[in-house]
Amino acid sequence: EPEVTQTPSHQVTQMGQEVILRCVPISNHLYFYWYRQILGQKVEFLVSFYNNEISEKSEIFDDQFSVERPDGSNFTLKIRSTKLEDSAMYFCASSPSGRMDTKPTITLYNEQFFGPGTRLTVL
Amino acid sequence: KDQVFQPSTVASSEGAVVEIFCNHSVSNAYNFFWYLHFPGCAPRLLVKGSKPSQQGRYNMTYERFSSSLLILQVREADAAVYYCACNTGFQKLVFGTGTRLLVSP
Repeated sequence: EPEVTQTPSHQVTQMGQEVILRCVPISNHLYFYWYRQILGQKVEFLVSFYNNEISEKSEIFDDQFSVERPDGSNFTLKIRSTKLEDSAMYFCASSPSGRMDTKPTITLYNEQFFGPGTRLTVL
Repeated sequence: KDQVFQPSTVASSEGAVVEIFCNHSVSNAYNFFWYLHFPGCAPRLLVKGSKPSQQGRYNMTYERFSSSLLILQVREADAAVYYCACNTGFQKLVFGTGTRLLVSP
């Protein structure tokens, strides 16, 4: 069964350093997402990406963050200058489509497939 | 503010039917998604939709602003964190804080 993979599983970095988290989405998927989960808190949406550009981002996703799909398979999240509060589990997800028609007509939902996450620890 | 609410912990005994409740205040959200998460693994979608549905031992009830996940014949191996989520349009999922299921023999 196809799955989303993420590397590394655990990243430790010093405050102020740049980190790049890597994801390989499922191969025929078109939409890509990053979420994060700070320890003890809920999973929060960061950004969605489609057709080589950001389609939506949250208020968390400030100028320190960027995403890229450098080739046909990888999807990366870069944090330019890490802060202590960036310590979290970062989940990548992908979906085959994002299109959603509202009720009462046809409803198509975007099932998002998640990777196992990268635990980022900023010291 | 868009939020999804679910209990932090639910306890059950093996063989029972366990219910995990979820409700939301997410504008323009019509679908619920229930994910199972074992720490260190990828969250896995169990059941989803905008109407009651079933996938194996997992049933999902549906109301416009609330849903319950029912797990039939619960086992010790079902002990994990269960996330309820809604999506706004097609872009993002809004998650609850997760419900830790405890299963006693």
